[in-house]
Amino acid sequence: KNEVEQSPQNLTAQEGEFITINCSYSVGISALHWLQQHPGGGIVSLFMLSSGKKKHGRLIATINIQEKHSSLHITASHPRDSAVYICAVRSPSSGGGADGLTFGKGTHLIIQP
Amino acid sequence: DTGVSQDPRHKITKRGQNVTFRCDPISEHNRLYWYRQTLGQGPEFLTYFQNEAQLEKSRLLSDRFSAERPKGSFSTLEIQRTEQGDSAMYLCASSWTAGNTIYFGEGSWLTVV
Repeated sequence: KNEVEQSPQNLTAQEGEFITINCSYSVGISALHWLQQHPGGGIVSLFMLSSGKKKHGRLIATINIQEKHSSLHITASHPRDSAVYICAVRSPSSGGGADGLTFGKGTHLIIQP
Repeated sequence: DTGVSQDPRHKITKRGQNVTFRCDPISEHNRLYWYRQTLGQGPEFLTYFQNEAQLEKSRLLSDRFSAERPKGSFSTLEIQRTEQGDSAMYLCASSWTAGNTIYFGEGSWLTVV
């Protein structure tokens, strides 16, 4: 069974700061998702990546397959970035067939003005 | 395309009652997933469908839980004889075949009193 660990669990920062959230997993995967969850529950997929780096606006996601580690960075953070960020890995050992996802517990991010 | 929609968004029920949640996936998506999320935890896999076929069920899905996707479009998740431990958010997600981005609904919150 894949274990997904995120750090930190909670993060409070000031507007404008550079934010890094980390994710480590224990077994081989076919892809990794970074997800954003706002209060009220809805989850939005930010990135799906299997190698290298992806960038979208102020968000950057990187993955190192050999080290089984991924990071999500937020540049010039803003209060509207406040949310829970969840790492999820896709592997056959997760429930859901080839697309099965195992989720981390999430990182609760608060950006103060 | 209205995204993945779930209904109801919130349900409060007395212990022992039955509840049913509905999920309407994105129309062309043939894969549909149900997850359960409790406070402070990441989502956990319950079951998934490829078209109308239920391909996998988690051990979390006790015999009080049943899910259907009769025409390969919308899905229902029924919980019979609810218990307080069933209180959680039930998330639905869908995707178009394997290897593609998974889209999540807003979730259905269940409180059993």
